[in-house]
Parts: sequence; C-alpha cells; structure tokens
Amino acid sequence: DAKTTQPTSMDCAEGRAANLPCNHSTISGNEYVYWYRQIHSQGPQYIIHGLKNNETNEMASLIITEDRKSSTLILPHATLRDTAVYYCIVRGPYLIQGAQKLVFGQGTRLTINP
Amino acid sequence: DTGVSQNPRHKITKRGQNVTFRCDPISEHNRLYWYRQTLGQGPEFLTYFQNEAQLEKSRLLSDRFSAERPKGSFSTLEIQRTEQGDSAMYLCASSTSTDTQYFGPGTRLTVL
Repeated sequence: DAKTTQPTSMDCAEGRAANLPCNHSTISGNEYVYWYRQIHSQGPQYIIHGLKNNETNEMASLIITEDRKSSTLILPHATLRDTAVYYCIVRGPYLIQGAQKLVFGQGTRLTINP
Repeated sequence: DTGVSQNPRHKITKRGQNVTFRCDPISEHNRLYWYRQTLGQGPEFLTYFQNEAQLEKSRLLSDRFSAERPKGSFSTLEIQRTEQGDSAMYLCASSTSTDTQYFGPGTRLTVL
C-alpha cells in the first residue's frame, strides 16, 4: 500500500502557484519523498525528490516539514500544460531489499484553469 | 531522443493470444522496471532487473507473464494466453543503481 495521502483533486488558475500537499506521517528516517506526474495517456514524469531539505529545480520546489511527516510540491507559475495527476511517493534507499519499486497511490488530479 | 522507448505503443489482441512488448532503457542505465497501470489507478510494480538478473517479481506477475533482459540492455515482457483482465498500460522505467527512475511512454494493451 502507498504510504502517502493526497487530496483527490485540486484546481488552480493559470499563472498562479499550485501547491500540492502530501501527508506521509509514517515516513522513516532514510526514506525519500518523490514526486511524479502523469499527463493523460503518457508515462509518469519525474519532477523532484528530497530527503530532509527543501529542494528546487527547473520544474518545481519541494518543501518538506521539519518533522518530515508532510510535504508540499509547488509549481510556481502553473500553465495549462501542468494539468495532470501528481503522485507523491515515499521510498527507501536503493540498498534496502524491496525499496527499489515505486508504490503509487491514487495521486492528486490537478486541473489548471485558464 | 535518449529517453526510455517502448514498442509497440498500442496493441490490440484477441483473448488467448500471446503478446510481447519491448523496452529500450536509457543508455547505461543498469536497472530496468516494469509496471502495469489499469484505468483510473496508479502504476503497479511488476518486476525489475539489475543488468540481466531479474531481482524481484510482484505477485501480480502470474505464470502467464515472463520478462527477460538477456544482454542487460533492452527487455521484453511476454504475456501468454491473454485474458481481458490483462488490458492495461504496461510501463517500463530505467535507472542507474542509485538514481531516479525514468519512465517510457508505455504500451497500451487491449484484449478483446
């Protein structure tokens, strides 16, 4: 089972920041938080991941709370092309048996409105 | 394009037929993964390879399913005696030993 909880759906206006929350209250100290998104009929696209510190790349920012029990993915200036299902995934380090696979939940369906 | 590629992109078959899908990972990625995604659900892990060795298989991978990666490069996923319940998107991903998984576009299978 997925170790994360996300809202089923969210809406955001084009040009505004989209903030997608994720709860992972049972996360272990060596587990990472990964975010992927899936645009209709395409394969999942990697966005960003982090362990403890906040992370930023060209696509998004990831804010992880100090207790690591929740995180927020931020798309700073959402466009219509950001409409997709966003998955928050907790996974262990590669060396732990069974940690290699990604366990997807239902994700959040984000709709960007013009 | 140096991403993960999958062929065919779409496959329609009749119940009882065998089908085979191919995945070409990103060059120099030694790990390759197969996932299955049914309508409205997130992808589910099926199996993964490190080089040519198949290291983990999900219970979802029934005895009608077989995956190979003979030379540690491309991989094939075969489904024998297909059933309507096999209709899904089959996704392939690849990674280095300690890095992020990157997915291909998937093969959509429809079993009539």
